[in-house]
Amino acid sequence: GAVVSQHPSRVICKSGTSVKIECRSLDFQATTMFWYRQFPKQSLMLMATSNEGSKATYEQGVEKDKFLINHASLTLSTLTVTSAHPEDSSFYICSATRAGHKTNYGYTFGSGTRLTVV
Amino acid sequence: TQLLEQSPQFLSIQEGENLTVYCNSSSVFSSLQWYRQEPGEGPVLLVTVVTGGEVKKLKRLTFQFGDARKDSSLHITAAQPGDTGLYLCAGAPDNAGNMLTFGGGTRLMVKP
Repeated sequence: GAVVSQHPSRVICKSGTSVKIECRSLDFQATTMFWYRQFPKQSLMLMATSNEGSKATYEQGVEKDKFLINHASLTLSTLTVTSAHPEDSSFYICSATRAGHKTNYGYTFGSGTRLTVV
Repeated sequence: TQLLEQSPQFLSIQEGENLTVYCNSSSVFSSLQWYRQEPGEGPVLLVTVVTGGEVKKLKRLTFQFGDARKDSSLHITAAQPGDTGLYLCAGAPDNAGNMLTFGGGTRLMVKP
């Protein structure tokens, strides 16, 4: 089955520093990856859609200069939270869809990254 | 207002009880998916429903897609403590490409 690996699972950083989160599709090519943010006891909120080899598409209200997304290959997308502040503390989750697959095949999610900015 | 309205938001029941979670929208979806998420983990796909009126069963879980493909339900029979978790419906509206949107989630707690 499709597996998406997300690292790190937990990270604590100081305010003002940057943090990079990696999302890898282990056994399939992912032309599109999605990055979500989830607040405690809430649902997932789409931040951006990442297509391999092109610029990410950000949702309204998401700062593209703060949340840098790179999708350099068909198996790797990264999210960098730049100049992190305590309000950026959250659970970040990536997901991937297989190349050529339609939405109704479902998406595979990473295990998430718990970011705490102190 | 969310594109997918999920209800109830919270549900606390005793082991052995039945429950139904609803996912409603005014938009038409080519498919809807149900996911289950445990604390500190990513969502795990349970099922995808594609055809209007479709019913799918996964052990004690029954999923139904509305005839008009605007709503879906998840019914759990004889709930067990292991069913505890966050249940999420999700889908991509017909005119939204492959961008997945999520319902607000239903947090289920099954007490032994």
